[in-house]
Amino acid sequence: VQLVESGGGLVKPGGSLRLSCAASGFNFNDYNINWVRQAPGKGLEWVSSITESSHYRWFADSVKGRFTISRDDPEKSVYLQMNSLRVEDTAVYYCARSLGEETGDYWGQGTLVTVSS
Amino acid sequence: DVQMTQSPSTLSASVGDRVTITCRASQSVTNRLAWYQQKPGKAPKLLIYRASSLESGVPSRFSASASGTEFTLTISSLQPDDFATYYCQQHHIYWTFGQGTKVDMK
Repeated sequence: VQLVESGGGLVKPGGSLRLSCAASGFNFNDYNINWVRQAPGKGLEWVSSITESSHYRWFADSVKGRFTISRDDPEKSVYLQMNSLRVEDTAVYYCARSLGEETGDYWGQGTLVTVSS
Repeated sequence: DVQMTQSPSTLSASVGDRVTITCRASQSVTNRLAWYQQKPGKAPKLLIYRASSLESGVPSRFSASASGTEFTLTISSLQPDDFATYYCQQHHIYWTFGQGTKVDMK
């Protein structure tokens, strides 16, 4: 099982970035994919989730209306589109898989997003 | 929103000590409570799922229990590899994490 995030980088406030989470080693179609972030020196904060078959998409209040989530099952990838970025969005962003109502059992290594002028 | 209150925020202990971390939910989360271990620069690692079930490959010195909305993680005999930060997480209504407990060397 492997989850690999990419797409992080330095962006100015108000800018956009798209993160990718590429999966391998398991039946991707069966799993929900979740994004969790961690600001420097801080704790973990759930950001967004997309269920298998894209039935449901959920967002934390802190990103609602600015972030969108999508998945490409043939490509075994999930994308987090982040618009109107703010300084407080600066964090390492992790993706994690979860099955049904269970929690995340495998996580990627994370990708750093820095929002700064 | 479900709030998770974790304590203590820091815990100083020695190898061989019994360590207990507590997490309280602001409302019922049934047994949808997990515990994670995180080391600096690394992704969180799942230790406990469904409040008290040990994830495959996790040493048996880790255990957890639940009573209503109060959850406890216990390390029976702290090992050098256990110095890390621990988070509780509810996944009953979306996901919410506790603030974390850093276990450091006394």
